[in-house]
Amino acid sequence: EAQVTQNPRYLITVTGKKLTVTCSQNMNHEYMSWYRQDPGLGLRQIYYSMNVEVTDKGDVPEGYKVSRKEKRNFPLILESPSPNQTSLYFCASSRTGFGYTFGSGTRLTVV
Amino acid sequence: KQEVTQIPAALSVPEGENLVLNCSFTDSAIYNLQWFRQDPGKGLTSLLLIQSSQREQTSGRLNASLDKSSGRSTLYIAASQPGDSATYLCAVPYAGGTSYGKLTFGQGTILTVHP
Repeated sequence: EAQVTQNPRYLITVTGKKLTVTCSQNMNHEYMSWYRQDPGLGLRQIYYSMNVEVTDKGDVPEGYKVSRKEKRNFPLILESPSPNQTSLYFCASSRTGFGYTFGSGTRLTVV
Repeated sequence: KQEVTQIPAALSVPEGENLVLNCSFTDSAIYNLQWFRQDPGKGLTSLLLIQSSQREQTSGRLNASLDKSSGRSTLYIAASQPGDSATYLCAVPYAGGTSYGKLTFGQGTILTVHP
């Protein structure tokens, strides 16, 4: 089944403890992105990648890192999480950069 | 900067009604427009993708139209059912004319269909 898989689905962590949210797609897509969704603010792009080793900032990149060492994987790294990064996170992928498939989401709580 | 607005913010209708959700965008230089459905606490499911060269796209009871010149899209849902209750989001790619893969989302319309 063609899909975007995120892990974990739920995560509670403490301020300052480094964490990684994984994202993997099995569709051989070139484009991958990370979004966060917050009440009243909607979905906002954090980072995106056009291919292996090619990444760029979205609208809200502060406090996040990404890497694209393999085409299928695009992990989101929070080096020192803070409570304002509590959010629902989505990974998405696309073959062309125009029509996207989204993962099921990761609900992160930073206390 | 592209801005996407969805009206209404919320809609409650009885089962069986036909309904229209609206999406407007400020920069008409788009490649396509995508409609998504999101169930509470869940991921986004792609419903329809309309290319800029198309005016309509249909899937089952759903029909989406696109008018680039006026910066508008509508999602028409025929014979609504309680299972259609969800948040509906529209999204357009980055309006800079390049395929960097950035989507700008509207705030969504929360649809409730009651029996």
